[in-house]
Amino acid sequence: SAVISQKPSRDICQRGTSLTIQCQVDSQVTMMFWYRQQPGQSLTLIATANQGSEATYESGFVIDKFPISRPNLTFSTLTVSNMSPEDSSIYLCSVVPGSYEQYFGPGTRLTVT
Amino acid sequence: DQQVKQNSPSLSVQEGRISILNCDYTNSMFDYFLWYKKYPAEGPTFLISISSIKDKNEDGRFTVFLNKSAKHLSLHIVPSQPGDSAVYFCAASAYNAGNMLTFGGGTRLMVKP
Repeated sequence: SAVISQKPSRDICQRGTSLTIQCQVDSQVTMMFWYRQQPGQSLTLIATANQGSEATYESGFVIDKFPISRPNLTFSTLTVSNMSPEDSSIYLCSVVPGSYEQYFGPGTRLTVT
Repeated sequence: DQQVKQNSPSLSVQEGRISILNCDYTNSMFDYFLWYKKYPAEGPTFLISISSIKDKNEDGRFTVFLNKSAKHLSLHIVPSQPGDSAVYFCAASAYNAGNMLTFGGGTRLMVKP
């Protein structure tokens, strides 16, 4: 398994501003993912962030809105840009330390007012 | 198009009895299935998984059954405990999709003392 931390754990932000979420893993992992869970919904994959390559975004998500950095094998950031109330969600990072099982961070609860 | 569905949004079970959570999928390329438990304000916790080459996997009180012909899997919890009360997500991945997970909508399990 892996121990994953996220910062901040929660934030309340004004419309039009940006927030950068950090994800730190206690071991080196190649594969890292960013998910969003909107209120009352399931988890939706935003992008795959593998070290050494550009992030790969899922349909409906674009780099201008959700820029991602992956500077090394233990760290990644996701920025939520030009926020609107519809961006209010829990944002989660996950890693695959072995073959298949994904392990998730505790999440960042974002509220946009 | 929901590729992974959990048709029961909630389930209530008496402590000590069996909890059965169901999940259906439509994509025949899925070959690995996982169950996660999620408490409020926490990230999903990996519970148990099963490969498509198996029809059953057991870990303590948790057993997952896979019926490939019906594209159906289920999670059995025996005996159920009040601490099992949480939202349970099933997820699926395909060997050619780089460990990407597709999640079901979740089932809220309530175990009554």
